[in-house]
Amino acid sequence: GDSVTQMEGPVTLSEEAFLTINCTYTATGYPSLFWYVQYPGEGLQLLLKATKADDKGSNKGFEATYRKETTSFHLEKGSVQVSDSAVYFCALSAGMNRDDKIIFGKGTRLHILP
Amino acid sequence: DVKVTQSSRYLVKRTGEKVFLECVQDMDHENMFWYRQDPGLGLRLIYFSYDVKMKEKGDIPEGYSVSREKKERFSLILESASTNQTSMYLCASSTQGLLNTEAFFGQGTRLTVV
Repeated sequence: GDSVTQMEGPVTLSEEAFLTINCTYTATGYPSLFWYVQYPGEGLQLLLKATKADDKGSNKGFEATYRKETTSFHLEKGSVQVSDSAVYFCALSAGMNRDDKIIFGKGTRLHILP
Repeated sequence: DVKVTQSSRYLVKRTGEKVFLECVQDMDHENMFWYRQDPGLGLRLIYFSYDVKMKEKGDIPEGYSVSREKKERFSLILESASTNQTSMYLCASSTQGLLNTEAFFGQGTRLTVV
């Protein structure tokens, strides 16, 4: 079945460091791909998305490119801030049927040190 | 502003109690979901619903049931709460029929069963 694998955390970086969180997927169709973020004590919120191969999603300085050839959707940010400390989830939505689900990775906790 | 609202942020219940977790969305979404979130396990789907009175089991439905009598409301029921159901519960909703549909999440309910 469809699945999402993302790098284990926690990831600890200093402020202004470069961030990469790896995400790879397995899907039979042509999924849409998402990154969600969960700040402490809150639910998940959409950070960015991409709907087809070579699309780049971006928001708040974060970027991810839909790579069909490597089945990847790695999250990157050039200079992280303390306020980026959160848990990040990679996810895919595989179809248009009414009972299709969104499939999440296990999440990567990010700590940014001042 | 779109909203998914969960009835409680924190709940403490006793073993054996019947527990109701309520979720309401104001976006006229067809799909609604209940997840539980545990450290190291990410989000696991308990049940989802793609229409009023319709429900589908997710990955971990044992010990839970759901009710969807109205489009905007999706309830999760713990028939007889047990300590291993202590967790963070997240409700989400999404539209149907769009490949790039995203899920909108509530703020979560942290349930402790003692």
